[in-house]
Amino acid sequence: EPEVTQTPSHQVTQMGQEVILRCVPISNHLYFYWYRQILGQKVEFLVSFYNNEISEKSEIFDDQFSVERPDGSNFTLKIRSTKLEDSAMYFCASSESPETRGYTFGSGTRLTVV
Amino acid sequence: RKEVEQDPGPFNVPEGATVAFNCTYSNSASQSFFWYRQDCRKEPKLLMSVYSSGNEDGRFTAQLNRASQYISLLIRDSKLSDSATYLCVVRIRLLSSGGYQKVTFGIGTKLQVIP
Repeated sequence: EPEVTQTPSHQVTQMGQEVILRCVPISNHLYFYWYRQILGQKVEFLVSFYNNEISEKSEIFDDQFSVERPDGSNFTLKIRSTKLEDSAMYFCASSESPETRGYTFGSGTRLTVV
Repeated sequence: RKEVEQDPGPFNVPEGATVAFNCTYSNSASQSFFWYRQDCRKEPKLLMSVYSSGNEDGRFTAQLNRASQYISLLIRDSKLSDSATYLCVVRIRLLSSGGYQKVTFGIGTKLQVIP
């Protein structure tokens, strides 16, 4: 079964550093997403990406965050100047048809900011 | 009122029992509804989409009540492997904003099936 791949599985970084989280969506999917889940809290939408541009973003997705699709397969989330409160599980997801088929999530990157 | 509200539980049920979860949503413009399952420290996995006519997949039945703005998930003959957190997901598409869409997850309802 096709899957969304995320790397690394766990990233520890010092406060103020930049991190790049990587994702390889399912190959025939056109819609890509980043979500985050702080431990014990609900899954929160960050950003959606379609046709090589951001289609929607949440209030969480401020200037500290950016996304890129540098080639035909990778989809990255960059977090600049990380803060302690950025510590969370970051999930990438992709979809063929978000209205009817939902999203397939990757296994996540656990980001720990120290 | 929260956009998507779920009872966090936990629901502790014996094996073989039938259990039902509800999820309420506040925005009447909500258009797509899903149930996801999330195991501890794992990614959410799509369990089923929820259609207006209701739909069934094996032991799982999902219903949508637009008038009362809630969706439900019924699990029959619970198995130990059903123990997980069940997430309600609501998607809103506002055409007036050029196709703006928003996806909101509920906090999830934790189910523990006991031998």
